[in-house]
Amino acid sequence: DIVMTQTPLSSPVTLGQPASISCRSSQSLVNSDGDTYLNWLQQRPGQPPRLLIYKISNRFFGVPDRFSGSGAGTDFTLRISRVEAEDVGVYYCTQGSQLPYTFGQGTKLEIK
Amino acid sequence: QVQLQASGPGLVKPSGTLSLTCVVSNGLISTNNWWSWVRQSPEKGLEWIGEIHPSGKTNYNPSLKSRVTISIDRSKNQFSLKLTSVSAADTAVYFCARERTFWGQGILVSVSS
Repeated sequence: DIVMTQTPLSSPVTLGQPASISCRSSQSLVNSDGDTYLNWLQQRPGQPPRLLIYKISNRFFGVPDRFSGSGAGTDFTLRISRVEAEDVGVYYCTQGSQLPYTFGQGTKLEIK
Repeated sequence: QVQLQASGPGLVKPSGTLSLTCVVSNGLISTNNWWSWVRQSPEKGLEWIGEIHPSGKTNYNPSLKSRVTISIDRSKNQFSLKLTSVSAADTAVYFCARERTFWGQGILVSVSS
């Protein structure tokens, strides 16, 4: 199985400041079709996960443009340009390039 | 947008079978998408269980494959999960999702006598 490792596990951030979460996979996520199926999910307290970013850098419908994704191969990053109160929650990277699909352990974003 | 709602017993006895159903609304289950089950526990985090295509093709997590069956009922626009021989380690919130894109609310299933 592909292991997804996120850092940091906890990120206290000041409102209006940027935040960054890293995700590393144990092997390349480039699929045989040439695409890289690395997604980012947000899970607010008491809610199901919500798709933010798909295929490394594509924002899903309704996702604010303060969220952005980047990376390639085995190293990926989610950035929030200016953190807002509604961004509090846990963020997960997940890979869909190889079965079984796997998730990172999650990064808890909290406000200082 | 598509909505998913999981339902089923919230308590299952050890060695019993966990059975959940996910009803899909605002969209047809017969579209060319995969319909998934994912579970979440404090111990294991998010764990992908498996998925089914409207054609009937399934993929399962090898760690659960011997105990899992996912089925689809196109006439009722729903799909289902069966997990046999459950233990306390199967206690989790179970989510149904469309390709891990659209997620249902989740249902807590506890395994206890």
